[in-house]
Amino acid sequence: DQQVKQNSPSLSVQEGRISILNCDYTNSMFDYFLWYKKYPAEGPTFLISISSIKDKNEDGRFTVFLNKSAKHLSLHIVPSQPGDSAVYLCAASEGAQKLVFGQGTRLTINP
Amino acid sequence: EAGVAQSPRYKIIEKRQSVAFWCNPISGHATLYWYQQILGQGPKLLIQFQNNGVVDDSQLPKDRFSAERLKGVDSTLKIQPAKLEDSAVYLCASSPGARSNQPQHFGDGTRLSIL
Repeated sequence: DQQVKQNSPSLSVQEGRISILNCDYTNSMFDYFLWYKKYPAEGPTFLISISSIKDKNEDGRFTVFLNKSAKHLSLHIVPSQPGDSAVYLCAASEGAQKLVFGQGTRLTINP
Repeated sequence: EAGVAQSPRYKIIEKRQSVAFWCNPISGHATLYWYQQILGQGPKLLIQFQNNGVVDDSQLPKDRFSAERLKGVDSTLKIQPAKLEDSAVYLCASSPGARSNQPQHFGDGTRLSIL
């Protein structure tokens, strides 16, 4: 039973355009959501998070949107840069930090 | 601030052999996690420690996997005996506490290959 799903294994975007990565979850008890970025042969790096009491959180070029009724969140990157090419992992937790991860989406930014 | 340190980076063993991984969390971080990431999947939590006590080991295959956190700092994860399906990257993470608004910081992992 996969509680967090990232249905797009890969995404290719032109440099300077917007990248939109999507994530769906099934457990309505999840109350905290995070995005991690992962480069090859490195561990995941925390990018941005959102609590279930909000529907948007912004940090520079990165914005996360949460739609609780649809059990859906998305990460927007504007403008996309070559250094953004990486695997993006969506994660969710209920209360005390037991993170459940999606499978990841590989983002490629083309010059 | 030094990050989460893991060793070794790579390990190749034959099935039925034993293997151990080591993790040194960020200084002062009370909570330590071990994850297993199989190729093409997201990381899966194996065990969570709060200081030197186990908080959650519900997904740890206890017949072959064991973990300990010495004096509430370093941790080791052991597999004995290894099976082919244990081939994965083993990630260690730490956080200051167990509250949900404190993101986990990950090490670079140990890539385990079972022959």
